[in-house]
Amino acid sequence: DVKVTQSSRYLVKRTGEKVFLECVQDMDHENMFWYRQDPGLGLRLIYFSYDVKMKEKGDIPEGYSVSREKKERFSLILESASTNQTSMYLCASSDRPTGSDQPQHFGDGTRLSIL
Amino acid sequence: QKEVEQDPGPLSVPEGAIVSLNCTYSNSAFQYFMWYRQYSRKGPELLMYTYSSGNKEDGRFTAQVDKSSKYISLFIRDSQPSDSATYLCAMSGYSSASKIIFGSGTRLSIRP
Repeated sequence: DVKVTQSSRYLVKRTGEKVFLECVQDMDHENMFWYRQDPGLGLRLIYFSYDVKMKEKGDIPEGYSVSREKKERFSLILESASTNQTSMYLCASSDRPTGSDQPQHFGDGTRLSIL
Repeated sequence: QKEVEQDPGPLSVPEGAIVSLNCTYSNSAFQYFMWYRQYSRKGPELLMYTYSSGNKEDGRFTAQVDKSSKYISLFIRDSQPSDSATYLCAMSGYSSASKIIFGSGTRLSIRP
């Protein structure tokens, strides 16, 4: 079974802090994704990566950056956290790019609160 | 207008009932259609996927796609309390550059 592990289930940070969210997958997947999930808005894609050191902006990249130094690890960085970044953050990985029949496998999420 | 519309519910039905969950969409380029199930405090897990139009059955679950109406459905037969979760529809185009677009989810509760 594919395992996507997010390092923290709950995080509380202060406005202006630099925040790191870590995600590790154990299936040698090429593709990794970061989403945020908010009530009524569903999942929105922040950034994704198709290869090591490669990143692409998703639909809402403002205020975020990412790092993929190793194939199995994809980090999301909030450069200067703000209260509107309080959300559930979900990491996913897949064997193939989107537009295929390969599903995305999700971690259990990090619920981040910015005070 | 959102690309994918999904009734947020909540939907509450008695155990054993047939459940129908639905999504509508506006982008005719969508070719892959998925349903994810998300339990409380967990990440989404893929339940079913279909390519283009038609039906797909897996145990008590049936996924149906009507591309002419831009409408997809998930039916759950003999619903169980363990089916209580949020159900997310999702879809993407054929191109490898296509992103997956998710519905906002329907919260389903099965009463014992």
